[in-house]
Amino acid sequence: DAGVIQSPRHEVTEMGQEVTLRCKPISGHDYLFWYRQTMMRGLELLIYFNNNVPIDDSGMPEDRFSAKMPNASFSTLKIQPSEPRDSAVYFCASSFALTSFPQYFGPGTRLTVL
Amino acid sequence: KNEVEQSPQNLTAQEGEFITINCSYSVGISALHWLQQHPGGGIVSLFMLSSGKKKHGRLIATINIQEKHSSLHITASHPRDSAVYICAAPFGNEKLTFGTGTRLTIIP
Repeated sequence: DAGVIQSPRHEVTEMGQEVTLRCKPISGHDYLFWYRQTMMRGLELLIYFNNNVPIDDSGMPEDRFSAKMPNASFSTLKIQPSEPRDSAVYFCASSFALTSFPQYFGPGTRLTVL
Repeated sequence: KNEVEQSPQNLTAQEGEFITINCSYSVGISALHWLQQHPGGGIVSLFMLSSGKKKHGRLIATINIQEKHSSLHITASHPRDSAVYICAAPFGNEKLTFGTGTRLTIIP
């Protein structure tokens, strides 16, 4: 398997624009996680899915953020409208279980909002 | 409050030294995760352990459930071990809570 795939790897956009981050999890993994990493706050869980269903979105910072998983092999994280404080590295990870199995991380998307 | 604390925050050592990174957590857990983040940004899962000790190459992870404490050791450290090491714990049935990480720098 190619591992968790994320695109784009880098995104630079202007404040107010819509940003869509994409993730393809490892085949067979039932759980998909979206994380955000910043210098100030470290690694934070935004939302996770189990069998394509959003289970916990309590980490999503505000209504500008939304995530979908239309099928087992694809998920998106959308920010609309984007703001400079959204600048961070966004990681997608997948696993067979919530916490009792290792998580496999994608390479991340570095987002810069000007 | 469910917390995960790591120490030290930063660690610089000479090549060949024995390295210890510590992780403490506030309540009982089922298993603890150790992750490594390379300078390039990629995150790799190193260990998941619920008791005792696990070894992979020069890396050893131990956990003491009673003391709510885990350590990550690196023997014969090498510059390529330079990375950020992160521990994470699940509290109850909840998702992982991450420590703030330990930045390790190994000088040749």
